[in-house]
Amino acid sequence: GNSVTQMEGPVTLSEEAFLTINCTYTATGYPSLFWYVQYPGEGLQLLLKATKADDKGSNKGFEATYRKETTSFHLEKGSVQVSDSAVYFCALMSGTASKLTFGTGTRLQVTL
Amino acid sequence: SAVISQKPSRDICQRGTSLTIQCQVDSQVTMMFWYRQQPGQSLTLIATANQGSEATYESGFVIDKFPISRPNLTFSTLTVSNMSPEDSSIYLCSVEEPTGRYEQYFGPGTRLTVT
Repeated sequence: GNSVTQMEGPVTLSEEAFLTINCTYTATGYPSLFWYVQYPGEGLQLLLKATKADDKGSNKGFEATYRKETTSFHLEKGSVQVSDSAVYFCALMSGTASKLTFGTGTRLQVTL
Repeated sequence: SAVISQKPSRDICQRGTSLTIQCQVDSQVTMMFWYRQQPGQSLTLIATANQGSEATYESGFVIDKFPISRPNLTFSTLTVSNMSPEDSSIYLCSVEEPTGRYEQYFGPGTRLTVT
């Protein structure tokens, strides 16, 4: 079956540090890949996506590249801000049923 | 993107009772889903809410425990029946707009505590 593995959190960084959150996946076929973000007290928001190999999704300074050879979709940001503190979920969608499979989430805490 | 609202936003319920959660979307959507997020855990798909027919449940979830209705293309309800403390979770509905972009958007969630 499909599965998503994310790096364990929490991740604590100083403001302006470089961020990487690792995500690898197992899926049949050619899944679409997503990063969702959940800010404190808020709902889940779609951050970025990529639908085929070598696609790069980007939004709000975050980027992730769909790497089929390594089955990975790592999230990166060059300079994090305190406002980026949130829980980040990697997810995949495979097949025609539009079902999302989520990773366990990684909590990011950015300090001044 | 679609604007999704859920009612109630939170509730505290006694074991053995049932709670119905509503999900309202501001536009017609073909796909609606219900997820559960247990404390400190990731999201797990409960079922796909099908308009005009029975919901499609994922492994481990049954209709008797989580009956779902979807009377039209903008509204769905999830009932958590005969609740136990293990049902304490955040319940979220999501929708996929008919744009072909395979993007799902989530409601704000309903935080349920069962005592």
